[in-house]
Amino acid sequence: DTAVSQTPKYLVTQMGNDKSIKCEQNLGHDTMYWYKQDSKKFLKIMFSYNNKELIINETVPNRFSPKSPDKAHLNLHINSLELGDSAVYFCASSLAAGAYNEQFFGPGTRLTVL
Amino acid sequence: GDSVTQMEGPVTLSEEAFLTINCTYTATGYPSLFWYVQYPGEGLQLLLKATKADDKGSNKGFEATYRKETTSFHLEKGSVQVSDSAVYFCALSDPTSYDKVIFGPGTSLSVIP
Repeated sequence: DTAVSQTPKYLVTQMGNDKSIKCEQNLGHDTMYWYKQDSKKFLKIMFSYNNKELIINETVPNRFSPKSPDKAHLNLHINSLELGDSAVYFCASSLAAGAYNEQFFGPGTRLTVL
Repeated sequence: GDSVTQMEGPVTLSEEAFLTINCTYTATGYPSLFWYVQYPGEGLQLLLKATKADDKGSNKGFEATYRKETTSFHLEKGSVQVSDSAVYFCALSDPTSYDKVIFGPGTSLSVIP
Protein backbone atom coordinates (compact mmCIF):
# COMPACT_ATOMS: atom_id res chain seq x y z
CA ASP A 1 0.00 0.00 0.00
CA THR A 2 2.95 2.31 -0.70
CA ALA A 3 1.75 5.77 -1.70
CA VAL A 4 4.67 6.94 -3.85
CA SER A 5 7.16 4.30 -4.94
CA GLN A 6 10.40 4.59 -6.87
CA THR A 7 12.63 2.03 -8.52
CA PRO A 8 15.42 1.35 -8.18
CA LYS A 9 16.35 2.42 -4.67
CA TYR A 10 20.06 2.39 -5.51
CA LEU A 11 21.69 2.85 -8.89
CA VAL A 12 25.43 2.63 -9.47
CA THR A 13 26.67 3.21 -12.98
CA GLN A 14 29.58 4.41 -15.08
CA MET A 15 29.99 7.85 -16.61
CA GLY A 16 28.50 8.09 -20.06
CA ASN A 17 25.77 5.49 -19.50
CA ASP A 18 22.04 6.10 -19.90
CA LYS A 19 19.70 5.18 -17.05
CA SER A 20 16.07 5.52 -16.02
CA ILE A 21 14.32 5.91 -12.69
CA LYS A 22 10.65 5.01 -12.40
CA CYS A 23 8.02 6.54 -10.14
CA GLU A 24 4.46 5.50 -9.45
CA GLN A 25 1.81 6.93 -7.13
CA ASN A 26 -1.41 5.20 -6.10
CA LEU A 27 -2.97 8.24 -4.42
CA GLY A 28 -5.02 9.36 -7.39
CA HIS A 29 -3.07 12.63 -7.52
CA ASP A 30 -2.96 14.84 -10.60
CA THR A 31 0.49 16.35 -10.13
CA MET A 32 3.92 14.71 -9.91
CA TYR A 33 7.43 16.07 -9.42
CA TRP A 34 11.10 15.18 -9.61
CA TYR A 35 13.56 16.66 -7.14
CA LYS A 36 17.32 16.34 -6.83
CA GLN A 37 18.93 16.29 -3.37
CA ASP A 38 22.66 16.85 -3.28
CA SER A 39 25.18 15.60 -0.73
CA LYS A 40 24.51 18.60 1.53
CA LYS A 41 20.78 17.73 1.60
CA PHE A 42 19.87 20.72 -0.56
CA LEU A 43 16.64 19.90 -2.43
CA LYS A 44 15.82 21.43 -5.80
CA ILE A 45 12.86 20.88 -8.07
CA MET A 46 13.61 19.63 -11.56
CA PHE A 47 10.25 18.97 -13.23
CA SER A 48 6.56 18.94 -12.51
CA TYR A 49 3.73 17.33 -14.48
CA ASN A 50 0.03 17.97 -14.08
CA ASN A 51 -2.26 15.46 -15.75
CA LYS A 52 0.61 14.26 -17.93
CA GLU A 53 1.51 17.78 -19.04
CA LEU A 54 4.80 19.44 -18.18
CA ILE A 55 4.19 22.55 -16.05
CA ILE A 56 7.55 23.17 -14.39
CA ASN A 57 10.84 22.69 -16.17
CA GLU A 58 13.71 24.14 -14.21
CA THR A 59 17.17 24.83 -15.55
CA VAL A 60 18.19 21.23 -15.93
CA PRO A 61 20.56 19.84 -18.60
CA ASN A 62 18.63 18.41 -21.52
CA ARG A 63 20.29 15.07 -20.79
CA PHE A 64 17.43 14.74 -18.27
CA SER A 65 14.11 13.87 -19.87
CA PRO A 66 10.96 13.18 -17.88
CA LYS A 67 8.12 11.11 -19.29
CA SER A 68 4.62 10.74 -17.93
CA PRO A 69 2.76 7.91 -19.67
CA ASP A 70 -0.26 8.46 -17.42
CA LYS A 71 -1.23 10.43 -14.32
CA ALA A 72 0.09 7.78 -11.96
CA HIS A 73 3.58 7.51 -13.44
CA LEU A 74 6.46 9.90 -13.94
CA ASN A 75 9.76 8.45 -15.10
CA LEU A 76 13.12 10.16 -15.39
CA HIS A 77 15.58 9.23 -18.09
CA ILE A 78 19.16 10.47 -17.92
CA ASN A 79 21.52 10.31 -20.90
CA SER A 80 25.30 10.44 -20.85
CA LEU A 81 25.59 10.38 -17.08
CA GLU A 82 28.20 12.63 -15.46
CA LEU A 83 29.89 12.54 -12.06
CA GLY A 84 27.90 15.60 -10.99
CA ASP A 85 24.65 13.72 -11.49
CA SER A 86 25.38 11.69 -8.36
CA ALA A 87 22.63 12.57 -5.89
CA VAL A 88 19.41 11.29 -4.39
CA TYR A 89 16.45 11.78 -6.69
CA PHE A 90 13.00 12.08 -5.14
CA CYS A 91 9.69 11.71 -6.83
CA ALA A 92 6.67 13.38 -5.24
CA SER A 93 2.99 13.86 -5.94
CA SER A 94 0.22 16.20 -4.85
CA LEU A 95 -3.53 16.23 -5.25
CA ALA A 96 -3.27 19.10 -7.71
CA ALA A 97 -0.86 21.84 -8.66
CA GLY A 98 -1.32 24.62 -6.17
CA ALA A 99 0.22 26.43 -3.27
CA TYR A 100 -1.93 24.72 -0.64
CA ASN A 101 -1.33 21.16 -1.62
CA GLU A 102 0.85 18.88 0.45
CA GLN A 103 3.43 16.93 -1.48
CA PHE A 104 3.95 13.23 -0.79
CA PHE A 105 7.47 12.00 -1.38
CA GLY A 106 8.83 8.66 -2.46
CA PRO A 107 11.73 7.01 -0.62
CA GLY A 108 14.33 8.30 -3.08
CA THR A 109 16.76 6.78 -5.56
CA ARG A 110 20.44 7.13 -4.70
CA LEU A 111 22.34 7.50 -7.96
CA THR A 112 26.12 7.07 -7.90
CA VAL A 113 28.06 7.78 -11.08
CA LEU A 114 31.60 6.37 -11.13
CA GLY B 1 13.26 35.32 -6.84
CA ASP B 2 11.69 33.41 -4.00
CA SER B 3 13.99 31.95 -1.37
CA VAL B 4 14.03 30.32 2.05
CA THR B 5 16.75 30.69 4.65
CA GLN B 6 17.14 28.42 7.65
CA MET B 7 19.51 28.36 10.58
CA GLU B 8 22.63 26.37 9.93
CA GLY B 9 22.93 22.98 11.50
CA PRO B 10 23.67 20.53 12.78
CA VAL B 11 21.76 21.12 15.98
CA THR B 12 22.35 18.76 18.89
CA LEU B 13 20.00 18.78 21.87
CA SER B 14 19.42 16.66 24.92
CA GLU B 15 16.11 14.86 25.27
CA GLU B 16 13.32 17.11 26.66
CA ALA B 17 15.13 20.30 25.61
CA PHE B 18 13.30 23.14 23.85
CA LEU B 19 13.76 23.34 20.10
CA THR B 20 13.69 26.37 17.81
CA ILE B 21 14.70 26.24 14.17
CA ASN B 22 14.59 29.64 12.53
CA CYS B 23 13.21 30.12 9.04
CA THR B 24 12.79 33.32 7.04
CA TYR B 25 11.62 33.72 3.48
CA THR B 26 11.39 36.12 0.56
CA ALA B 27 8.55 35.86 -1.92
CA THR B 28 6.92 38.06 -4.52
CA GLY B 29 3.38 36.94 -3.72
CA TYR B 30 1.58 35.57 -0.68
CA PRO B 31 3.05 32.14 -0.21
CA SER B 32 1.94 29.12 1.75
CA LEU B 33 4.59 27.97 4.22
CA PHE B 34 5.53 24.44 5.18
CA TRP B 35 7.81 22.43 7.40
CA TYR B 36 8.83 19.05 6.06
CA VAL B 37 10.81 16.43 7.97
CA GLN B 38 13.17 13.81 6.54
CA TYR B 39 14.02 10.86 8.75
CA PRO B 40 17.23 8.97 7.96
CA GLY B 41 16.99 7.01 4.72
CA GLU B 42 13.48 8.22 3.91
CA GLY B 43 11.72 10.76 1.73
CA LEU B 44 10.34 14.01 3.07
CA GLN B 45 6.98 14.15 4.79
CA LEU B 46 4.88 17.15 5.68
CA LEU B 47 5.11 18.13 9.33
CA LEU B 48 2.87 21.21 9.33
CA LYS B 49 1.75 24.10 7.17
CA ALA B 50 0.19 27.56 7.27
CA THR B 51 -1.50 29.24 4.34
CA LYS B 52 -1.98 32.84 5.50
CA ALA B 53 -0.57 35.42 7.87
CA ASP B 54 -0.97 34.68 11.60
CA ASP B 55 -1.97 31.06 10.94
CA LYS B 56 -0.36 28.57 13.29
CA GLY B 57 0.47 25.11 12.01
CA SER B 58 0.90 22.32 14.55
CA ASN B 59 1.53 18.60 14.55
CA LYS B 60 3.19 16.05 16.87
CA GLY B 61 4.03 18.77 19.40
CA PHE B 62 5.69 21.00 16.78
CA GLU B 63 4.35 24.48 16.05
CA ALA B 64 5.11 27.32 13.67
CA THR B 65 3.34 30.65 13.15
CA TYR B 66 3.21 32.49 9.82
CA ARG B 67 4.57 35.97 10.57
CA LYS B 68 4.16 38.21 7.54
CA GLU B 69 5.65 41.27 9.21
CA THR B 70 8.94 39.49 9.87
CA THR B 71 8.64 37.06 6.91
CA SER B 72 9.33 34.19 9.28
CA PHE B 73 8.01 30.72 10.07
CA HIS B 74 10.09 29.45 12.98
CA LEU B 75 9.64 25.85 14.10
CA GLU B 76 9.33 25.13 17.82
CA LYS B 77 8.82 22.16 20.08
CA GLY B 78 8.70 22.29 23.85
CA SER B 79 10.32 18.95 24.62
CA VAL B 80 12.20 17.00 21.96
CA GLN B 81 12.59 13.24 21.89
CA VAL B 82 15.28 11.01 20.41
CA SER B 83 12.78 10.03 17.72
CA ASP B 84 12.70 13.66 16.52
CA SER B 85 16.25 13.29 15.16
CA ALA B 86 15.92 14.14 11.48
CA VAL B 87 16.51 16.87 8.91
CA TYR B 88 13.91 19.65 8.93
CA PHE B 89 13.13 21.68 5.82
CA CYS B 90 11.29 24.97 5.73
CA ALA B 91 9.55 25.56 2.40
CA LEU B 92 7.26 27.95 0.60
CA SER B 93 4.91 27.67 -2.32
CA ASP B 94 4.21 30.89 -4.15
CA PRO B 95 1.13 30.96 -6.37
CA THR B 96 2.69 33.73 -8.46
CA SER B 97 5.61 31.43 -9.30
CA TYR B 98 3.71 28.52 -10.81
CA ASP B 99 3.22 27.04 -7.33
CA LYS B 100 6.77 25.79 -7.23
CA VAL B 101 7.83 24.66 -3.80
CA ILE B 102 11.11 26.26 -2.77
CA PHE B 103 12.91 24.43 0.00
CA GLY B 104 15.37 25.82 2.50
CA PRO B 105 18.74 24.08 2.89
CA GLY B 106 17.54 21.88 5.75
CA THR B 107 18.60 21.78 9.40
CA SER B 108 19.86 18.52 10.84
CA LEU B 109 18.70 17.81 14.40
CA SER B 110 20.21 15.17 16.65
CA VAL B 111 18.59 14.48 19.99
CA ILE B 112 20.70 12.59 22.51
CA PRO B 113 19.32 10.69 25.50
